[in-house]
Amino acid sequence: SQTIHQWPATLVQPVGSPLSLECTVEGTSNPNLYWYRQAAGRGLQLLFYSVGIGQISSEVPQNLSASRPQDRQFILSSKKLLLSDSGFYLCAWSMREQFFGPGTRLTVL
Amino acid sequence: KNEVEQSPQNLTAQEGEFITINCSYSVGISALHWLQQHPGGGIVSLFMLSSGKKKHGRLIATINIQEKHSSLHITASHPRDSAVYICAVRENSGGSNYKLTFGKGTLLTVNP
Repeated sequence: SQTIHQWPATLVQPVGSPLSLECTVEGTSNPNLYWYRQAAGRGLQLLFYSVGIGQISSEVPQNLSASRPQDRQFILSSKKLLLSDSGFYLCAWSMREQFFGPGTRLTVL
Repeated sequence: KNEVEQSPQNLTAQEGEFITINCSYSVGISALHWLQQHPGGGIVSLFMLSSGKKKHGRLIATINIQEKHSSLHITASHPRDSAVYICAVRENSGGSNYKLTFGKGTLLTVNP
């Protein structure tokens, strides 16, 4: 069966520090991968998606970037975090339907 | 771009009550999801619908494609049903990409 992992589960970072969140999928190959963010009091918003290794599409302009160095690995990064980057970050994968990871709660202070 | 509206935003019920959460969208879709998010944040997919009705235990989801509307019903509600319920739609854009547009969610609290 397929499994999706995200780490860390929670993270507290100072403004201006770098960020790296990792997502890996097991049990499938060549999935579409997604990063979503849920800011406080708001709905989920798609940040990036990838249909293959090295292929990244950005949905909204922002302070973040994404990379897909391997088929089942998706990384969300920032060089310098802003206060507004705080939120709940979800990774997801899809074939015929979409499945979500456990999420990372990021607090930028 | 699809607009996804959920109602109500907040819902408080007594244990055992029948609950309905509504979702409407503005553009034709290929699939609609109902998701459940517990306080810890993790999201569980409850249903994926493209037509008709689905039932799983005490949960029932219906969709009316012509009216661009879906409902999630919970029968005999229980405090453990307390969570945020989110409606999400996949547009008829074709291709393999499964981009979803989400509603803001309905916070359900079931009191014992």
